[in-house]
Amino acid sequence: DAKTTQPPSMDCAEGRAANLPCNHSTISGNEYVYWYRQIHSQGPQYIIHGLKNNETNEMASLIITEDRKSSTLILPHATLRDTAVYYCIVRGPRDSSASKIIFGSGTRLSIRP
Amino acid sequence: DAGVIQSPRHEVTEMGQEVTLRCKPISGHDYLFWYRQTMMRGLELLIYFNNNVPIDDSGMPEDRFSAKMPNASFSTLKIQPSEPRDSAVYFCASSLKGSTGELFFGEGSRLTVL
Repeated sequence: DAKTTQPPSMDCAEGRAANLPCNHSTISGNEYVYWYRQIHSQGPQYIIHGLKNNETNEMASLIITEDRKSSTLILPHATLRDTAVYYCIVRGPRDSSASKIIFGSGTRLSIRP
Repeated sequence: DAGVIQSPRHEVTEMGQEVTLRCKPISGHDYLFWYRQTMMRGLELLIYFNNNVPIDDSGMPEDRFSAKMPNASFSTLKIQPSEPRDSAVYFCASSLKGSTGELFFGEGSRLTVL
């Protein structure tokens, strides 16, 4: 079962920052937070992941709270192409038997012009 | 690299027929995953392999489903006999041990069972 809770839908104005929250209150100390997104009818696409520290890449930033019970994915300047379902996933250490990725229901993000 | 390649992209078949979905992972990747996506159940992990060996098949719905990975560059998901409730998009993904753990997904195979 998915170990995360996300709002079912959100919207954001084009050009603004989109902040997608995720709760993972039962996360274990060695579990990572991963974010994927799925644009209509395509396969999911990896965005970013983190363990404790905040992370940033060319796509997004990931802010993880100090207690690691929640996180926020930030798309700094949302465009219409960012309209997608965003999945927050908790998984075990890479290369372990707990490393399978289980998708929940995600957040449907709509970017309005 | 061409990415994960799945075939067929679309398949329409009649109930009772055998269906075989195929996947070619990214060269050098040692993990392979099969997922199924429906409106009702979302994305479900069916099975995954490491170095061609099935590691966890607890998501395989029932005995009508089977998956094989005869070598590092090819995997199949077979449904026999197929039923209308098997209609879904089936995704294959691969990843590389020691990397970020990122999964690379194929474009999916859309199956319709009449």
